[in-house]
Amino acid sequence: QVQLVESGGGVVQPGRSLRLSCAASGFTFSNYALHWVRQSPGKGLEWVAVILYDGRNKYYADSMKGRFTISRDNSKNTLFLQMNSLRAEDTALYFCARDFLRGGYRGLFDYWGQGTLVTVSS
Amino acid sequence: EIVMTQFPATLSVSPGERATLSCRASQSVSSNLAWYQHKPGQAPRLLIYGASTRATGVPARFTGSGSGTEFTLTISSLQSEDFALYYCHQYNNWPPGRTFGQGTQVEI
Repeated sequence: QVQLVESGGGVVQPGRSLRLSCAASGFTFSNYALHWVRQSPGKGLEWVAVILYDGRNKYYADSMKGRFTISRDNSKNTLFLQMNSLRAEDTALYFCARDFLRGGYRGLFDYWGQGTLVTVSS
Repeated sequence: EIVMTQFPATLSVSPGERATLSCRASQSVSSNLAWYQHKPGQAPRLLIYGASTRATGVPARFTGSGSGTEFTLTISSLQSEDFALYYCHQYNNWPPGRTFGQGTQVEI
């Protein structure tokens, strides 16, 4: 069955960096676009970024552009999110999610991981 | 940016009763509307997409309806495992951004 397992969260000071990972199994990883979505207490669910199946095209939410970088390693079935210049408002539970559309992009999330918690605090 | 509004914020129901959750979009999203179920410590689960199509393995007691700006998720007879947080999500517009509702908590 499809599984997505996030890791790499933790407590980090403002301005520092953190790298999240998402290990995937149960499907052909290289056929699907993958997303990061976050859930923060005051703002609910918020889409963060997407990377298409071949890793060539990436898109970000405006508030993350220039600070976050999404990437993937199709040989290791792993998705990444490099987060730099972290702010208190980046505190959230970060989920990876698979796009519904095989070989394309739909912006609909059919499988999610359980999330990894990032806390930005001094 | 499209704003999704869910109501009520909290729905108190008893097992076996019907639950009706609503979601409104600030502009038309056609039928590009999904519902997710989320329990603490678990991965969110896709229930409904295309406004009314149940995802794989979703019980028939979950029914989605609506189009344009008004949508409804109905749980015909609540089971104990259905008590959870439910989100609506529009995927009609790019970029995705804040395209989720704030959620409806279904509680006993």
